Amino acid sequence: ETGVTQSPTHLIKTRGQQVTLRCSSQSGHNTVSWYQQALGQGPQFIFQYYREEENGRGNFPPRFSGLQFPNYSSELNVNALELDDSALYLCASSFVGAMNTEAFFGQGTRLTVV
Amino acid sequence: AQSVAQPEDQVNVAEGNPLTVKCTYSVSGNPYLFWYVQYPNRGLQFLLKYITGDNLVKGSYGFEAEFNKSQTSFHLKKPSALVSDSALYFCAVRNAGNMLTFGGGTRLMVKP
Repeated sequence: ETGVTQSPTHLIKTRGQQVTLRCSSQSGHNTVSWYQQALGQGPQFIFQYYREEENGRGNFPPRFSGLQFPNYSSELNVNALELDDSALYLCASSFVGAMNTEAFFGQGTRLTVV
Repeated sequence: AQSVAQPEDQVNVAEGNPLTVKCTYSVSGNPYLFWYVQYPNRGLQFLLKYITGDNLVKGSYGFEAEFNKSQTSFHLKKPSALVSDSALYFCAVRNAGNMLTFGGGTRLMVKP
C-alpha cells in the first residue's frame, strides 16, 4: 500500500454537472499528478502540480482544473461533465528535486457520468 | 514526443513457467522507464524502474526487466510465474517534466 489516498472511491454524476476529486499525497512528496484511465486503456496524463502551481498539462480541456494545497494534498475539478469523462481518475505523488522518485499512485476514483 | 508500445494485449502462461511482457519506447534523450501493475479496481503499484546503470533491473515480487538501448525495449520478466501474478501490466516512460506516458497495458493470465 502506498501513502496516497483518494476520495471518494466511486462517484456517479449527471452530464453537465461539476465534480471535485481529492487526493492526499504521500508524506515527504512535493509533487502531485493526475491521470485519467478510460476503460481498457492506459492512464493519460492530465496535469501536474508542484509548489501549488500547475507545471505541466496533457491534452485535456480547461474544464479540467486543479489545486495543490500547502500540505501537498490536491483536488481535481471537472466542470460541465460529459459522458466521455467516465473513467478511473488516478492521483500520483512523487518527490521532485535533485533526485526524482518514482510516482506512487492512489487507488483511484471511479467516476461515472450518466 | 515520447511514446510507449505494448504489442500484446494479453499474455498467457502456465504457473511455474517463465514470463515475458514486452515493451518498446520512443524518447528523445535518455529514457527513464517504469513498470507498474494494476489489480482489478485498484490503482497502479510500482514494480521497478530503469534510470541508469545495469541493463538488468530487479524489482518487487521477483520481477525483473531488461533494458536494451539498441532495440529501444524494456521487457518485463519473471523466471517462474505465479497465479497471483495475473493482473494488468503497464510500461511507462517519464520525461524531464516528470510526466509519465503509459503503454496500453498487457493483461497477464497465469493458469494453474
